[in-house]
Amino acid sequence: DVKVTQSSRYLVKRTGEKVFLECVQDMDHENMFWYRQDPGLGLRLIYFSYDVKMKEKGDIPEGYSVSREKKERFSLILESASTNQTSMYLCASSFPRGLYKMNTEAFFGQGTRLTVV
Amino acid sequence: TQLLEQSPQFLSIQEGENLTVYCNSSSVFSSLQWYRQEPGEGPVLLVTVVTGGEVKKLKRLTFQFGDARKDSSLHITAAQPGDTGLYLCAGLPNSGYALNFGKGTSLLVTP
Repeated sequence: DVKVTQSSRYLVKRTGEKVFLECVQDMDHENMFWYRQDPGLGLRLIYFSYDVKMKEKGDIPEGYSVSREKKERFSLILESASTNQTSMYLCASSFPRGLYKMNTEAFFGQGTRLTVV
Repeated sequence: TQLLEQSPQFLSIQEGENLTVYCNSSSVFSSLQWYRQEPGEGPVLLVTVVTGGEVKKLKRLTFQFGDARKDSSLHITAAQPGDTGLYLCAGLPNSGYALNFGKGTSLLVTP
């Protein structure tokens, strides 16, 4: 059974803390993504990576950084957590688009609900 | 980012009713996907449509991709309480790696 696993379901952190969210996939996918999901705003892309050590900014990268040292692992880092970063964070992975448009399904983890107080 | 507009945002219906959810954009997409998300979980893929005009059926769910590949619809026949959830459409742009998501339609089906 294919899997994307996020390290925590729930996290509570204090303002100003450095926060690490970890994501591991076992499908040998090249692409990995971090989204945040907020009521009324849907899923917004923070960062994505299409290969080891490669990263690209998404729509809302401010206040975040990422690390991809190994193909299976993609970490999201909140450099100095703030209350407006309280959200549900979703990690996803997929194959590259290639020639087969069908093969672009994104597999999601179960999400990490982060509360910054 | 190419925007996807979903409507309606919320839908509350009784078991047995039919419904349609719409996903519209001014941009052309390489493919379009529909996901369903249950509370506390990540989205799970229902279907991918690739060809303009394509229609796909998944039991009581019918998905259609617009001829111009800018819009899509999801129709559910005889809704059941188990269909309750958040339905998300997501488009893959002609270039780039990441899916663009609509804001979702929250469906509640009551017995």
